[in-house]
Amino acid sequence: DAGVTQSPTHLIKTRGQQVTLRCSPISGHKSVSWYQQVLGQGPQFIFQYYEKEERGRGNFPDRFSARQFPNYSSELNVNALLLGDSALYLCASSLTHDYSPLHFGNGTRLTVT
Amino acid sequence: GQQVMQIPQYQHVQEGEDFTTYCNSSTTLSNIQWYKQRPGGHPVFLIQLVKSGEVKKQKRLTFQFGEAKKNSSLHITATQTTDVGTYFCAGPRGNEKLTFGTGTRLTIIP
Repeated sequence: DAGVTQSPTHLIKTRGQQVTLRCSPISGHKSVSWYQQVLGQGPQFIFQYYEKEERGRGNFPDRFSARQFPNYSSELNVNALLLGDSALYLCASSLTHDYSPLHFGNGTRLTVT
Repeated sequence: GQQVMQIPQYQHVQEGEDFTTYCNSSTTLSNIQWYKQRPGGHPVFLIQLVKSGEVKKQKRLTFQFGEAKKNSSLHITATQTTDVGTYFCAGPRGNEKLTFGTGTRLTIIP
């Protein structure tokens, strides 16, 4: 079975630009969570979606938004990029929206210059 | 707000030595999960603990959940080079379904 897939793997953007990251969950998983991981730190929670509805939001500005599609895939959008947005963006899928274990993808490495 | 702290931040051990990382929460946790992240990789789920005082073992790894459900530990017996990585505990925090701890980075000296 395929694991969580994320695209693109790497991305370089300029300050002020917008970016869209994509994630496909494990087949059968209905929940997708997004995390930001800055080098040397633990993953920071951004969003969780379950059955196309937002179920949790972390302490991130409104420049960050996400959505989940009927096939349970998800997109994370970040507007007006700042240098500090440079990080590894991890998508994780889980069976449900409660405390099911998370299965992470390989992440998207975003560099903002 | 609720914090999930881990100690130590770094640990260097000789191959074959034991290793322990501790996770502490400022509030009671309904459950706690442990993840391992290899250098350059993504976090991989190891285990979930739910009950007060629960102890679970996976080969050389022993996981424990505190009686008050505010702390947890991961102990590795006789470390091997394959144990290299950063170990994170994670627990629910308010509107955040899973908050990751600060992590303990383990390096092995062959």
